[in-house]
Amino acid sequence: KAGVTQTPRYLIKTRGQQVTLSCSPISGHRSVSWYQQTPGQGLQFLFEYFSETQRNKGNFPGRFSGRQFSNSRSEMNVSTLELGDSALYLCASSSGQGAMAGYTFGSGTRLTVV
Amino acid sequence: GQNIDQPTEMTATEGAIVQINCTYQTSGFNGLFWYQQHAGEAPTFLSYNVLDGLEEKGRFSSFLSRSKGYSYLLLKELQMKDSASYLCAVRDAGRGSYIPTFGRGTSLIVHP
Repeated sequence: KAGVTQTPRYLIKTRGQQVTLSCSPISGHRSVSWYQQTPGQGLQFLFEYFSETQRNKGNFPGRFSGRQFSNSRSEMNVSTLELGDSALYLCASSSGQGAMAGYTFGSGTRLTVV
Repeated sequence: GQNIDQPTEMTATEGAIVQINCTYQTSGFNGLFWYQQHAGEAPTFLSYNVLDGLEEKGRFSSFLSRSKGYSYLLLKELQMKDSASYLCAVRDAGRGSYIPTFGRGTSLIVHP
């Protein structure tokens, strides 16, 4: 079956702009989680969506938002971009059912803010 | 919050065995994952431990001791392609969520 698809792979934006990233999970997976990965901080949890509802949220400012559609595809949006938002943004798909449900990650979107 | 500690970097020789340690603190342990991430690529699932003991999967094994808050990933017969970052991630039911928290990863360099 197809894996987790993230688009675009690479993105360059300037400070103050906004950006929207997309994630299509594995077919049948209803949970989509987003992570920010930087060399200094590692993988930091942003939020999780399940059946179109935000189920969990990490400690990021309100500039970071997301949503999930009825087909389980998810988007995340970052407004008023800052240089520190430069990172690899990873989407992880899961069945979301129970503690055994592991993640399958997409290849990520590398965002560079200049 | 949770503390997850793993060494920043390790080096080993091709054909050798390496053990990557991970220590953690939780208020309600609910499972530990190991992921492998090659540079520029997505993390891929290696193992999951929720009970004490050793889980073996080919050249890779993962061990868990819940009482000690300790896990390790054991890689045998190292190959050059094993050069990657290894991420330890822990679920804490005490936080009211099953979302795993990741350590910063251990960069493993395998040399000939």
